[in-house]
Amino acid sequence: SQQGEEDPQALSIQEGENATMNCSYKTSINNLQWYRQNSGRGLVHLILIRSNEREKHSGRLRVTLDTSKKSSSLLITASRAADTASYFCATATYSGGSNYKLTFGKGTLLTVNP
Amino acid sequence: ETGVTQTPRHLVMGMTNKKSLKCEQHLGHNAMYWYKQSAKKPLELMFVYNFKEQTENNSVPSRFSPECPNSSHLFLHLHTLQPEDSALYLCASSQRGGLADQETQYFGPGTRLLVL
Repeated sequence: SQQGEEDPQALSIQEGENATMNCSYKTSINNLQWYRQNSGRGLVHLILIRSNEREKHSGRLRVTLDTSKKSSSLLITASRAADTASYFCATATYSGGSNYKLTFGKGTLLTVNP
Repeated sequence: ETGVTQTPRHLVMGMTNKKSLKCEQHLGHNAMYWYKQSAKKPLELMFVYNFKEQTENNSVPSRFSPECPNSSHLFLHLHTLQPEDSALYLCASSQRGGLADQETQYFGPGTRLLVL
């Protein structure tokens, strides 16, 4: 069954505004990752937050993780038209050996209008 | 560029054709993956290769046949596909064996497949 689920499915904002996307998941995780995908291209890793971390920053990105609520959020500050893309959360589970698995959600389509 | 290349980028094939997708990673990773991305569905993991050995096959129909001759190359052989197999096929790689809480995947640009 699907692990990560992003909300909203689509988000449209003006350049300069902040964009917040949320991800909820169902089972315990090892870490949670956010990826970005430009239309018809491959996914690009943005940021990883471990299960024992609560907040992480990378440039204009801020990720939070609440393991008690099984949810994460991705905040993009001062958005730019070039941030227009789909954003996916991926939950990582590990049960030893080669049993490491990333499960992706359906994604949030972010449109930043100039 | 992520260090993972895929060819061809676009492919149109009939249901009776046989074709192959190729993926190559230049990152020195030891694990490679095939994913299928269809419209409005989550990314679906198809196959996982770890040190050239297939470690996961997520109930993929036999008309998809993976091959991993070495840790840098991964193929997906296609035969007698159906129109519902039309999708973006993504290859990814990662480094297994390090800290499990830091493993990330690097994706290629994908092959857009259309089955007529």
